[in-house]
Amino acid sequence: EPEVTQTPSHQVTQMGQEVILRCVPISNHLYFYWYRQILGQKVEFLVSFYNNEISEKSEIFDDQFSVERPDGSNFTLKIRSTKLEDSAMYFCASSERGGPKNIQYFGAGTRLSVL
Amino acid sequence: GQNIDQPTEMTATEGAIVQINCTYQTSGFNGLFWYQQHAGEAPTFLSYNVLDGLEEKGRFSSFLSRSKGYSYLLLKELQMKDSASYLCAVINQAGTALIFGKGTTLSVSS
Repeated sequence: EPEVTQTPSHQVTQMGQEVILRCVPISNHLYFYWYRQILGQKVEFLVSFYNNEISEKSEIFDDQFSVERPDGSNFTLKIRSTKLEDSAMYFCASSERGGPKNIQYFGAGTRLSVL
Repeated sequence: GQNIDQPTEMTATEGAIVQINCTYQTSGFNGLFWYQQHAGEAPTFLSYNVLDGLEEKGRFSSFLSRSKGYSYLLLKELQMKDSASYLCAVINQAGTALIFGKGTTLSVSS
């Protein structure tokens, strides 16, 4: 069964460093998403991406964050200068179509620890 | 704005039936999703409701009442592997973002 894959599974970084989280969406999917989940809290939407453009972003997704589809298979989330409060599980998701009926499939996540 | 409420924790025994409730307040409604999330793992899609009524899928069923802003997930013949968090989420008006509740942690004991 096709799945969303994320690397690395765990990333440890120092405060102020840049990190890039990588995702390979399901191959025929066209819509991509990043969510985060701080330990013990709810899953929060960060950004959605379609046709090489951001479709929507939340207030969490400030200038420190950026997303990119560098090639035909990868989708990345970059955090320019990490802060302690960026420590969370980051989930990538993809869907075949957009709109309300789209089912988003999630990857296993990258646990980011900022020290 | 959007607000989603669900109980924090529930417990049940193997073989039993459990109902996990979710109430929501949204500006516009385009559908409600249920996801299952085992500890440390990805949310996994369970069900989608956009019209009132019951959707049945094996041991799991999901119900929606749009007029009441209410949904529930019904799990029958509980198994130990059903111990997980169950996340209620609504899709925003543009269909670009899922807004999740805090999740209900279900513990199934023998």
